[in-house]
Amino acid sequence: EAGVTQFPSHSVIEKGQTVTLRCDPISGHDNLYWYRRVMGKEIKFLLHFVKESKQDESGMPNNRFLAERTGGTYSTLKVQPAELEDSGVYFCASSLVGGGTDTQYFGPGTRLTVL
Amino acid sequence: DQQVKQNSPSLSVQEGRISILNCDYTNSMFDYFLWYKKYPAEGPTFLISISSIKDKNEDGRFTVFLNKSAKHLSLHIVPSQPGDSAVYFCAAALYDKVIFGPGTSLSVIP
Repeated sequence: EAGVTQFPSHSVIEKGQTVTLRCDPISGHDNLYWYRRVMGKEIKFLLHFVKESKQDESGMPNNRFLAERTGGTYSTLKVQPAELEDSGVYFCASSLVGGGTDTQYFGPGTRLTVL
Repeated sequence: DQQVKQNSPSLSVQEGRISILNCDYTNSMFDYFLWYKKYPAEGPTFLISISSIKDKNEDGRFTVFLNKSAKHLSLHIVPSQPGDSAVYFCAAALYDKVIFGPGTSLSVIP
């Protein structure tokens, strides 16, 4: 069974540009999460989808970030316009049931560098 | 305001010895705790977890201890192996949200 996949693995853009990250969860997993790790610090929660609905988006830093999950399958995270502080590794995770006790399976991450 | 803390950014241990990774948390409402392991260029993978109603959970070479009164948990790896070298994240769950610590980089020296 395929794991969580993320595309691209790396992205280097200039400040002010737009970048779209994609996550494909494990098939059948209704719960999809986005996280971000900045400068080797903690992995911070961004948002949680249950199917196509946003269950919790309290971690989204500001309105430059837009996450979608049309059809409840893959998800995209768009940053527009990108700022220097958006640099970091963006992880996507998925889980079957949801809730804090359910194991989340992480993708390899997308490393975003904003110059 | 960091709710989950891992105060040791790195740890080196000889192969065959015990590795002890520590984690402190501030929110007494957390009801489930997890450890994830991360290799370079990969996403974190689940390692072991413990419910707040327990004080110990063991899985092979890995044991997690929870001290609720001290708001402290630790991960013990015995015996440590070179393949255990990775970054270990402590995480705490509250309802649907999982909050991660900053990680501890473990190096197991052959």
